[in-house]
Amino acid sequence: SAVISQKPSRDICQRGTSLTIQCQVDSQVTMMFWYRQQPGQSLTLIATANQGSEATYESGFVIDKFPISRPNLTFSTLTVSNMSPEDSSIYLCSGLSPRKLGQGKSGAGELFFGEGSRLTVL
Amino acid sequence: KQEVTQIPAALSVPEGENLVLNCSFTDSAIYNLQWFRQDPGKGLTSLLLIQSSQREQTSGRLNASLDKSSGRSTLYIAASQPGDSATYLCAAGGDRDDKIIFGKGTRLHILP
Repeated sequence: SAVISQKPSRDICQRGTSLTIQCQVDSQVTMMFWYRQQPGQSLTLIATANQGSEATYESGFVIDKFPISRPNLTFSTLTVSNMSPEDSSIYLCSGLSPRKLGQGKSGAGELFFGEGSRLTVL
Repeated sequence: KQEVTQIPAALSVPEGENLVLNCSFTDSAIYNLQWFRQDPGKGLTSLLLIQSSQREQTSGRLNASLDKSSGRSTLYIAASQPGDSATYLCAAGGDRDDKIIFGKGTRLHILP
């Protein structure tokens, strides 16, 4: 199984500032994702981090607010820009392990998560 | 559009009991279903992954089943312990669009 390290684990930030969260995977994953989990809620996908190209954002999320980089297969960053109290959430990095050969989609990989970054914006 | 539902939202049971958590999905075209555990303020830990071609997976006291035709998966926890207290989430991997959709989770509390 993949081990995903995420930092910072938590931070308290001032309104209007930006914070970059780093995510490192200990083995190759095919896809990396960034999720947000607001208090008491389930996970919402922000974007798929694409290696060497622009991330693919879900509806409601834009690159100017959440710029994402993935310079190689095992590292990605998410920046939360111009923060407001509404951005207070847990931000989670995840990676999808490779599919098993010869099984097509039925051998689809397993999703692994980092420990999350708990962000509080004052 | 796939929707994943977990019922109940919260559950409290005495230590030692066996229990079942439910997960239902509206679109049976999935390639896998995964169960996770989340402790408060933490990330998700993968518990079990069931491929679409499989009926169940077991790990220790945990057993997960999958019935694609009825759109249901269950997570069975045997001989529950206080350390099992956490939120349990299921996620379905969509065969049509490759999207992974999460349920809202069941918050489990095991009473000592």
